[in-house]
Amino acid sequence: AQSVSQHNHHVILSEAASLELGCNYSYGGTVNLFWYVQYPGQHLQLLLKYFSGDPLVKGIKGFEAEFIKSKFSFNLRKPSVQWSDTAEYFCAVTPGGSYIPTFGRGTSLIVHP
Amino acid sequence: GAVVSQHPSWVICKSGTSVKIECRSLDFQATTMFWYRQFPKKSLMLMATSNEGSKATYEQGVEKDKFLINHASLTLSTLTVTSAHPEDSSFYICSVESGSFNYGYTFGSGTRLTVV
Repeated sequence: AQSVSQHNHHVILSEAASLELGCNYSYGGTVNLFWYVQYPGQHLQLLLKYFSGDPLVKGIKGFEAEFIKSKFSFNLRKPSVQWSDTAEYFCAVTPGGSYIPTFGRGTSLIVHP
Repeated sequence: GAVVSQHPSWVICKSGTSVKIECRSLDFQATTMFWYRQFPKKSLMLMATSNEGSKATYEQGVEKDKFLINHASLTLSTLTVTSAHPEDSSFYICSVESGSFNYGYTFGSGTRLTVV
């Protein structure tokens, strides 16, 4: 069965620091990739997604992610975080022929002002 | 960490019948649960927010009479798809608000519904 690994479970940064959250998956075929964010007390929101094309995907709020097929990775980045980025971040993968997602465990990000 | 159990993991039903999906938080009390639906080639879409002891809040375009949500206790929320149609075939997943931050997997394992 496929799996999704988010190696950073808790990340603490100061404002203006750069962010990179790792996401690796184990499926060998075509995949669709997602990053979601969940702010405290709110529901999940889509940050960005990759289906095909340019492997560097830009999302909302200054986030971007790069799909590196050879590394089975889809890491999330932001050059300069803000206090308002404090949230839980989830990576999700669906096989290309399916729409059933597998979620990573999530990464809790705390940004100190 | 937070543990969420969703049942059943998959179900096939006939058109016109109703299907109930359960979402349980096993090790903590959850005042808020979220129900999502996944369509092919799309991201998760929020259907409704389930609040313990009160009526669920539905997103625009989601029929509350068709997708009945009950959150009668702090550990259980149910989603009932009434008078199911083939177009209701989808992947449904719940998520639980586990406090300021979760320390584990807050999603249920999901339910794949096929209506024939």
